[in-house]
Amino acid sequence: SQELEQSPQSLIVQEGKNLTINCTSSKTLYGLYWYKQKYGEGLIFLMMLQKGGEEKSHEKITAKLDEKKQQSSLHITASQPSHAGIYLCGAARVNAGGTSYGKLTFGQGTILTVHP
Amino acid sequence: DTEVTQTPKHLVMGMTNKKSLKCEQHMGHRAMYWYKQKAKKPPELMFVYSYEKLSINESVPSRFSPECPNSSLLNLHLHALQPEDSALYLCASSPTTLAGEQYFGPGTRLTVT
Repeated sequence: SQELEQSPQSLIVQEGKNLTINCTSSKTLYGLYWYKQKYGEGLIFLMMLQKGGEEKSHEKITAKLDEKKQQSSLHITASQPSHAGIYLCGAARVNAGGTSYGKLTFGQGTILTVHP
Repeated sequence: DTEVTQTPKHLVMGMTNKKSLKCEQHMGHRAMYWYKQKAKKPPELMFVYSYEKLSINESVPSRFSPECPNSSLLNLHLHALQPEDSALYLCASSPTTLAGEQYFGPGTRLTVT
């Protein structure tokens, strides 16, 4: 099964600081998803990456998928208290032909705290 | 409209009760999902429906019974649950199972007493 490791497990930063969260896979990633979750609430979709070397940005959040497609990073610039939450990376499981089943497996999550 | 709604928000039930969780989306998505999330853990997939047919059952106990009455609705029927089934139950949808990001609902917090 797809195994995803996120680092760090938790992160505490001062407002205005930049930060990076990493997601490393033991297998080739065919689709990598980043989500944010507030405790006890649903997941909010942030970005999806599929191609090696792909980079996407939304507001102050940038995500990249490395060329070998086994690692992704999420970078937040000038963090704000509103960025606080749990960040989860998810990988799509695919069959031998590279077709997605629709199943996502998630990393353990990174808890981000931003102090004002 | 990228919203997935779930009802109820909270549910407390005894081990002999029968209850149902409901999920609805109006994005025209043809794939819908049920996930279970325990505290401080990531969501775990339970069921996948594709074009209103069950396509994946992740070996979920039969006390959980999913139903997809139409392309917009997904139910999860609960019967004879155990206290360890207490968790946050999340519904999600995506355009198809082949591709596309999944949009999640806010979840139902279930407590089994």
